[in-house]
Amino acid sequence: AQTVTQSQPEMSVQEAETVTLSCTYDTSESNYYLFWYKQPPSRQMILVIRQEAYKQQNATENRFSVNFQKAAKSFSLKISDSQLGDTAMYFCASLQGAQKLVFGQGTRLTINP
Amino acid sequence: EAEVAQSPRYKITEKSQAVAFWCDPISGHATLYWYRQILGQGPELLVQFQDESVVDDSQLPKDRFSAERLKGVDSTLKIQPAELGDSAMYLCASSYRGHERGTQYFGPGTRLLVL
Repeated sequence: AQTVTQSQPEMSVQEAETVTLSCTYDTSESNYYLFWYKQPPSRQMILVIRQEAYKQQNATENRFSVNFQKAAKSFSLKISDSQLGDTAMYFCASLQGAQKLVFGQGTRLTINP
Repeated sequence: EAEVAQSPRYKITEKSQAVAFWCDPISGHATLYWYRQILGQGPELLVQFQDESVVDDSQLPKDRFSAERLKGVDSTLKIQPAELGDSAMYLCASSYRGHERGTQYFGPGTRLLVL
């Protein structure tokens, strides 16, 4: 069974700092997709960034970027110039096979003013 | 921008009662998912539909949970009877076969409290 592990239950940084959230996953597939989702307090889950495993280039979306290390099965999220609105639970997720998305336990990120 | 709709947003019920949640996916999305999210944890898939057919319901407690998507559009998830341990957020998501394969879009969720 596929598993996703987020080893940092909570993180806290000052506004404008850079923060990196860690994620490791387990898979036997050659092609798969990885995602970071953000869930703000009392708000719905939204997609932050996605990575297709066959693409070597790391995905980037504005202030969000990933460090995808396929051999190490690592998929970390870097948030640059962090903002107060980045405060949320962040979930790493892996999608393999028939579209089944498996989530990690989440990292609670707090951006302090 | 199109969104996944869910109702109700909040539901309080007593154990042994029946509850039902409704989801309307983004138009054109053939795949619909129901997840359960316990507070402080990641969502776990309960059931996945491809059009009107169930693709995966291996984690659905079938003695008390049921799900349907009769016309391949909106969907209903039912719990009967509800138990204290069912208190959680129930999330619906949908995805499109095509570009951005695999990306799931989530609704706001229904927060269930069983007393």
